Amino acid sequence: AQSVTQLDSHVSVSEGTPVLLRCNYSSSYSPSLFWYVQHPNKGLQLLLKYTSAATLVKGINGFEAEFKKSETSFHLTKPSAHMSDAAEYFCVVSGAISGGYNKLIFGAGTRLAVHP
Amino acid sequence: EPEVTQTPSHQVTQMGQEVILRCVPISNHLYFYWYRQILGQKVEFLVSFYNNEISEKSEIFDDQFSVERPDGSNFTLKIRSTKLEDSAMYFCASLRDRGTAGELFFGEGSRLTVL
Repeated sequence: AQSVTQLDSHVSVSEGTPVLLRCNYSSSYSPSLFWYVQHPNKGLQLLLKYTSAATLVKGINGFEAEFKKSETSFHLTKPSAHMSDAAEYFCVVSGAISGGYNKLIFGAGTRLAVHP
Repeated sequence: EPEVTQTPSHQVTQMGQEVILRCVPISNHLYFYWYRQILGQKVEFLVSFYNNEISEKSEIFDDQFSVERPDGSNFTLKIRSTKLEDSAMYFCASLRDRGTAGELFFGEGSRLTVL
C-alpha cells in the first residue's frame, strides 16, 4: 500500500528566503507523486507531478521537486519565497488500482507561512 | 480556464437531515471523484465514478452515501442521514483520462457543518 509522510506540519520562512517542504513516500512499485497547494478558501491546485520521467520536476510559480528513489523522498523547494506562497501544501501519491482510476493518497499537509 | 465548480460553498444542517452536494466537473472529463477533509485531518478519498457507475469506494463511503450523475453535467454526493462526524470540507474532482496519471482537477470545496 502507498502512503506519504509530510515531515513538517508548519514551516515559516521570510520573504526572499528558500522554501523546503519535506515529503517521504512509501510505495511497493514506482509511484506517481504530486504536490498540490490549497490557498485559503480555494480548491486544491496541482503544483507539479512526477510520473517516472525526469527526476527533477519543475512546477508552477517557481516551485520544483526532486524524486529520490534511494531516499524515498519528494521534497518541494523554491529558491525565494513570496508572500503569495503562504498556503497549505499537500504531498500526494497516486494509488494505482485496478483499472487505473487514479485514487490519490494525501499527506497530512504542511502549512507554509511567509513573513515580510 | 475550465474548472470544477461546487455548490453550495457552505451548508449547515441538522443531524439526521439529508444533504446533497453538487459538482459540475470539467466538460470533457470522464472520471469523477469525491474527497473529504475533516478539520485538522488528511484529505481522504471517498469514491470514484466512471461510465455511470462507482469504480471504487473507501470504507468511509457506507450506505448513507450515494453518488449520481443525473445528467451530462452534474455529479452529486448525497448524504442520507447526516451525523455530526460528517462535518467536513467535501471536494469534487475530475480527471480527463487515465493517461493524465492522477492529474485531478479539484473544485473549491463544499463545507458541511452538521449540528
